[in-house]
Amino acid sequence: AQKVTQAQTEISVVEKEDVTLDCVYETRDTTYYLFWYKQPPSGELVFLIRRNSFDEQNEISGRYSWNFQKSTSSFNFTITASQVVDSAVYFCALSALGDGNNRKLIWGLGTSLAVNP
Amino acid sequence: EAQVTQNPRYLITVTGKKLTVTCSQNMNHEYMSWYRQDPGLGLRQIYYSMNVEVTDKGDVPEGYKVSRKEKRNFPLILESPSPNQTSLYFCASSVGRGHGYTFGSGTRLTVV
Repeated sequence: AQKVTQAQTEISVVEKEDVTLDCVYETRDTTYYLFWYKQPPSGELVFLIRRNSFDEQNEISGRYSWNFQKSTSSFNFTITASQVVDSAVYFCALSALGDGNNRKLIWGLGTSLAVNP
Repeated sequence: EAQVTQNPRYLITVTGKKLTVTCSQNMNHEYMSWYRQDPGLGLRQIYYSMNVEVTDKGDVPEGYKVSRKEKRNFPLILESPSPNQTSLYFCASSVGRGHGYTFGSGTRLTVV
């Protein structure tokens, strides 16, 4: 079975702190894709990153970075020097070939991040 | 601009009154899907479509219908809405599994 676990339900930090959002996934497929999405208070889903199972390179985009480790089935997301505008719910999601043609995303329940001034 | 357009953004309706939430994409994507988002349950897939006239059930299809008569449109139909269908709905399209998804802005539906 495919599953995504985001153990942290809510995180609260003070502006300029670094924060890491954890994501652990389960799949038996050898080919799969992992995603992070941001959902601000306005409600839309904003794509942040995708990573395929064959690419374990970490990625940095500005203040955002992602650490993909197949050995621990984790795909963690770090925000450096957090800002109030980073306040949102962040979702980790998985898409695996085992779903056949249905390219559905398996979602974690999200981590609600509050960045306080 | 490449996008998925959902309408309406907000809808309040009464139990049993048929409604349709429209979804349209301008990226020529073959794959489209509907999700609902509920507190504590996350996002769950309702229906998906691999191409025109090809649709199939997701995880929570009960009480919903879809159609895919044209590639760009994938409406979600609630024939007889009930209060347990109060939720935030998202339409998504994709060009391929590894490319991720483009989501619409969401439709917040309340059934009273």
